[in-house]
Amino acid sequence: AQSVSQHNHHVILSEAASLELGCNYSYGGTVNLFWYVQYPGQHLQLLLKYFSGDPLVKGIKGFEAEFIKSKFSFNLRKPSVQWSDTAEYFCAVNAREAGANNLFFGTGTRLTVIP
Amino acid sequence: DAGVTQSPTHLIKTRGQQVTLRCSPKSGHDTVSWYQQALGQGPQFIFQYYEEEERQRGNFPDRFSGHQFPNYSSELNVNALLLGDSALYLCASSFGGFWEETQYFGPGTRLLVL
Repeated sequence: AQSVSQHNHHVILSEAASLELGCNYSYGGTVNLFWYVQYPGQHLQLLLKYFSGDPLVKGIKGFEAEFIKSKFSFNLRKPSVQWSDTAEYFCAVNAREAGANNLFFGTGTRLTVIP
Repeated sequence: DAGVTQSPTHLIKTRGQQVTLRCSPKSGHDTVSWYQQALGQGPQFIFQYYEEEERQRGNFPDRFSGHQFPNYSSELNVNALLLGDSALYLCASSFGGFWEETQYFGPGTRLLVL
């Protein structure tokens, strides 16, 4: 079975600070990796995804994530956060198997950016 | 181009009752997945419908059932509601249910069971 761990439950940063949110997964096979964001009062939106190729993935709004296969990690980064980045961030995986694309989510990290 | 829509937005039920939640997928999508997001938790996969059949199911009891219609819209039914069923129920759509397809989420239905 797949599982996802997000180590940080709540992160508080000042504007312009750098961000790194941790994500580790466990699964014996090949996975696809995702970061979704949920802004206050809005629905889950895809931030970025990794399927194959360059392990450094760039997403929307200046976010990026790096897939490190040996560490089973897919950490999210942003060099300089803005107040508008305040949101809940979810890491998710799905198994690269035929007929299966259900997502397994971590418990989420709440990011609060102080102006 | 309409995204994923869900109805109702909020619902209050009492223990033992039954509830039906509805989802219309994004235009061009034919696969619908349902997730339950309890407070402070990440979404948990309930089941997925493709070609009007349940293709995959997560670790949820039989009280949770669903249906997909020929126009690809879907319903989630929960019988014999428990207090623990209080959560945000999310619908996600994709094309073909293939692993390489991104899932797009709706705004959710918030269910409160009293």
